[in-house]
Amino acid sequence: QSALTQPASVSGSPGQSITISCTGTSSDVGGYNYVSWYQQHPGKAPKLMIYDVTNRPSGVSNRFSGSKSGNTASLTISGLQAEDEADYYCSSYTSSSTLVFGGGTKLTVL
Amino acid sequence: EVQLLESGGGLVQPGGSLRLSCAASGFTFSRYAMSWVRQAPGKGLEWVSAISGTGGSTYYADSVKGRVTISRDNSKNTLYLQMNSLRAEDTAVYYCAKDEYCSSTSCSPANWGQGTLVTVSS
Repeated sequence: QSALTQPASVSGSPGQSITISCTGTSSDVGGYNYVSWYQQHPGKAPKLMIYDVTNRPSGVSNRFSGSKSGNTASLTISGLQAEDEADYYCSSYTSSSTLVFGGGTKLTVL
Repeated sequence: EVQLLESGGGLVQPGGSLRLSCAASGFTFSRYAMSWVRQAPGKGLEWVSAISGTGGSTYYADSVKGRVTISRDNSKNTLYLQMNSLRAEDTAVYYCAKDEYCSSTSCSPANWGQGTLVTVSS
């Protein structure tokens, strides 16, 4: 199972919006509405930000939103804040009953 | 409050074995599927394995299938990962996670421990 494809890095200024893409295949992202997004700060454990493409766990800011079109899922962060600077990973359920992660995207808040 | 505490990591020679443990508290352990996810130094996340709440169903990544066994002891609220025939590429921080938001087929690892480092080197 190949890793999902994410851009290595994205950046934005405080207050702006950014979008991170996550591209897979019809056997994972495109075949199921089971895409999750994780935020990871350096030296910390990942934190679940979005599950099932669009849903936010309790306590996650509504500045974070998810969507999907075909084989590509996206995470949008609006009103960028300094504390959003982190690595972001997507994951998807696959037709092999496994999970696959993306390679990760480093978000820099300028 | 959900707490997950991994242990058992350390330095092991190539070809060796190691058993990781994850002690869970703050929730009814037997009701939740659990996962192991690893992260090689400076690299991204890699899903390793998952197990249902009863332990009756297990799932593995191709990269570890046949070398790794996931199990759980619901009487001890503990998750395990037995790793055999270890390779240098197995070097990583291993996280255990409580799966939530489950559908009929998929869950999301939602609560994560702080991880335990496994180093495979001679």
